Amino acid sequence: EPEVTQTPSHQVTQMGQEVILRCVPISNHLYFYWYRQILGQKVEFLVSFYNNEISEKSEIFDDQFSVERPDGSNFTLKIRSTKLEDSAMYFCAGNEQGAFVSGELFFGEGSRLTVL
Amino acid sequence: AQSVTQPDIHITVSEGASLELRCNYSYGATPYLFWYVQSPGQGLQLLLKYFSGDTLVQGIKGFEAEFKRSQSSFNLRKPSVHWSDAAEYFCAVAAIQGAQKLVFGQGTRLTINP
Repeated sequence: EPEVTQTPSHQVTQMGQEVILRCVPISNHLYFYWYRQILGQKVEFLVSFYNNEISEKSEIFDDQFSVERPDGSNFTLKIRSTKLEDSAMYFCAGNEQGAFVSGELFFGEGSRLTVL
Repeated sequence: AQSVTQPDIHITVSEGASLELRCNYSYGATPYLFWYVQSPGQGLQLLLKYFSGDTLVQGIKGFEAEFKRSQSSFNLRKPSVHWSDAAEYFCAVAAIQGAQKLVFGQGTRLTINP
């Protein structure tokens, strides 16, 4: 069964460092998302991406964050200068049709980011 | 703006017992409603969804949920839990038209006693 894969599973970084989280979505998916979950808090929407551009982003997704799909397969989330409060589990997700036509997002297992 | 409340942070039930996880949402119109499950070390997996029609929806792993508009609720149920059901359960809501995002509840951690 196809699945969304994320790397790394866990990354520890120093405050102020750049971090790139990678996701390989399911091959026929067209809509891609990043969500995050700070320990003990809700899963929060960060950004959605379609046709090589951001379609929607949350207030969390400020100038320190960026996304891209550099080679048509990987979907990356970059944090330019990490802060302590960026420590969280980051989930990549995708679906074929977006806008919940199909009604399901397929999530990866998450990348845990720890900022020291 | 949409919001989701899961009042129970942690629930413990005995194996074989029935289960109900509560979810209340806030949204002006009829939303799309979802339940996801996250097993340890796994991603979020869709259990079931409600878009329209029959308010009792069946999902995978023997779960069902009932949409009650009057109570703004979408509670998840299972008649008899198995030890493998121990996981974190998330209720989520999305707007109907053109929404690109889900709004999640806080999650309910389910522990199963043998």
